[in-house]
Amino acid sequence: NAGVTQTPKFRVLKTGQSMTLLCAQDMNHEYMYWYRQDPGMGLRLIHYSVGEGTTAKGEVPDGYNVSRLKKQNFLLGLESAAPSQTSVYFCASSYSSREVKNIQYFGAGTRLSVL
Amino acid sequence: GENVEQHPSTLSVQEGDSAVIKCTYSDSASNYFPWYKQELGKRPQLIIDIRSNVGEKKDQRIAVTLNKTAKHFSLHITETQPEDSAVYFCAASSNFGNEKLTFGTGTRLTIIP
Repeated sequence: NAGVTQTPKFRVLKTGQSMTLLCAQDMNHEYMYWYRQDPGMGLRLIHYSVGEGTTAKGEVPDGYNVSRLKKQNFLLGLESAAPSQTSVYFCASSYSSREVKNIQYFGAGTRLSVL
Repeated sequence: GENVEQHPSTLSVQEGDSAVIKCTYSDSASNYFPWYKQELGKRPQLIIDIRSNVGEKKDQRIAVTLNKTAKHFSLHITETQPEDSAVYFCAASSNFGNEKLTFGTGTRLTIIP
C-alpha cells in the first residue's frame, strides 16, 4: 500500500518551460488536492478535485492547471514556469465518511526550482 | 472564504515543559479542525482533530480545545520530548459538503534538551 505518490521528487526548470507533476493514490479516495508550501506561508491550496472528471480552483490557482481523468491520478501542470513558482508542492487525498472527516494523506512532496 | 491565523510562528520550550499553539478562524460555519505535524523534510501528517460538537479532545500527551464562541482552537502538548520538534499546522473546514481545508501559516516548535 503506497498511499500517495508524487513524481518527480525534484525538478529544476528554466523560466518559460512547462512541466507536469503527477500525483497517484491507491486508497480509492474521492478527493485530491494540490498545495504549495513556501516559508512562512503555510500550505496554500492551488486546485482540488472532489471526484473523477472534476476540478476546482483553490486559493492560489493562477499559472497552474490540473486534470483528474482517472480517480487515482491528479496532475498539476505549469504551462510557462516563473521564478515565483519555486516552491515545494504537496499532493494530498482524502475521504469522507460519517465518522471521519477530511483526513488528508500527503505525498512526499516535489521540490521545484524555477531559474 | 475562511481565514485561519496561527500563533506563535516559532516556539521554543524546555524538554518536559508544555507547549501551546493557538489558532483563530473567521468562518462561523467551520465544523472540523485538524492539526498536522510536519517533521523536517517530511510530509505533513494528521496528529489530532476535533469537531465542532466537542469542546476538548485528548490523545496521550496532546490535546486540542475549541471555543466556538470566540472562534479559536488550541493545541496543547504536555511533557514535551525532542521528537516533538517539528512544524505544526492548524486547519479549518467549513460546510459538511465542502472538503477543502484552510491551513494556518504554521508554528515551528523546538524542544530544548
